[in-house]
Amino acid sequence: EVQLVESGGGLVKPGGSLRLSCEGSGFTFSSYSMNWVRQAPGKGLEWISYITSTGSTTYYADSVKGRFTISRDNAKKSLYLQMNSLRDEDSGVYYCARDYVAFRHFDYWGQGTVVTVSS
Amino acid sequence: EVVMTQSPATLSVSPGEGATLSCRASQSVSSYLAWYQQRPGQAPRLLIYGASTRATGIPARFSGSGSGTDFSLTINSLQPEDFAVYYCQQYSKWPKTFGQGTKVEIK
Repeated sequence: EVQLVESGGGLVKPGGSLRLSCEGSGFTFSSYSMNWVRQAPGKGLEWISYITSTGSTTYYADSVKGRFTISRDNAKKSLYLQMNSLRDEDSGVYYCARDYVAFRHFDYWGQGTVVTVSS
Repeated sequence: EVVMTQSPATLSVSPGEGATLSCRASQSVSSYLAWYQQRPGQAPRLLIYGASTRATGIPARFSGSGSGTDFSLTINSLQPEDFAVYYCQQYSKWPKTFGQGTKVEIK
């Protein structure tokens, strides 16, 4: 069974940093490109970052470019999101999601981890 | 970026009835369109991809259609577990963008 489990969320002050993790199991993690998607409280879904299976290519939404960094460790079957210079509007639930195949739709999602940016 | 517009924002339906949700793209996305269901407090779940292909384990009462800029998701005979928010997403062009969602609520 494919599972994605996020961790690392929490309360952080504006301007602070946080590192999210997503551990995959039940599939060959190193074969799949991965994404981070977030959802502000009571709002819709926003894709924010993508990384290829090898980690050689990454994409970011304009809203996080220059502040967030996506990375992965295939040996640990883990995906990461380093979030710096956090703003109030970065608050929400952060999901990791697997690409069905590269550059396509998301076939599996984690349960999410909550990030709250507040002073 | 491709803007995805869903309508209506909220759809009130009685259990057992059918529902049709719409999604329009600001430019052609061919058939690179997915639908996701999100129940309260849960992560999104893939329903449809390629505009009309049901994902593994998705009941046949869910069907998708359309191509280019206009798409629809039809749910036949709504079951209690179908009352949720539904999002469309295009994956034709970066960034991959979602619609704002349609909430299907019990009438």
